[in-house]
Amino acid sequence: DSGVTQTPKHLITATGQRVTLRCSPRSGDLSVYWYQQSLDQGLQFLIQYYNGEERAKGNILERFSAQQFPDLHSELNLSSLELGDSALYFCASSAPGTAYGYTFGSGTRLTVV
Amino acid sequence: KNEVEQSPQNLTAQEGEFITINCSYSVGISALHWLQQHPGGGIVSLFMLSSGKKKHGRLIATINIQEKHSSLHITASHPRDSAVYICAVHLDSNYQLIWGAGTKLIIKP
Repeated sequence: DSGVTQTPKHLITATGQRVTLRCSPRSGDLSVYWYQQSLDQGLQFLIQYYNGEERAKGNILERFSAQQFPDLHSELNLSSLELGDSALYFCASSAPGTAYGYTFGSGTRLTVV
Repeated sequence: KNEVEQSPQNLTAQEGEFITINCSYSVGISALHWLQQHPGGGIVSLFMLSSGKKKHGRLIATINIQEKHSSLHITASHPRDSAVYICAVHLDSNYQLIWGAGTKLIIKP
């Protein structure tokens, strides 16, 4: 157990639906990062939150949104799902004062059918 | 041209062999990560380097900032080392990671 908890581990849903992925960072970590790993594009940075505020944005679609709550857990919302959104979604966290010491969650495997 | 290049893309070796995976980058970085992804998908951070060399068990990572190159070495390789090894760099300018395409390593018993 890395200390970063992602739920659910697997999710199968239909096109057009909306899902929420959840991430609880390692205790004491303030930053949360979301990454998407699809077969044809490797790992892509989506978005970063630091202590509840959006810090950096990457290749995140407008259909996707995220937030970090006061207890520091984060949710990634994916809406109007398309087949191409099928991927592994990873969350990582890092401690205050460092952007580099990442701890990854085990990921959520999303399958859109 | 990708900003982070890994080689080889695929590597198959016999148990016990010394393994080297290379990573070259073309941008200014503040740190470099080596990560391991097992067939189940989970990602484990192996090393974070900004200079020099680090060792953990049978794994050794080196970085040459001037040459913009890093290597990951595995000594006395074992079938359980079979995984995808990914190099990722932090740009000087922000916290984002830029990922290499990964090296798929298979160690045969």
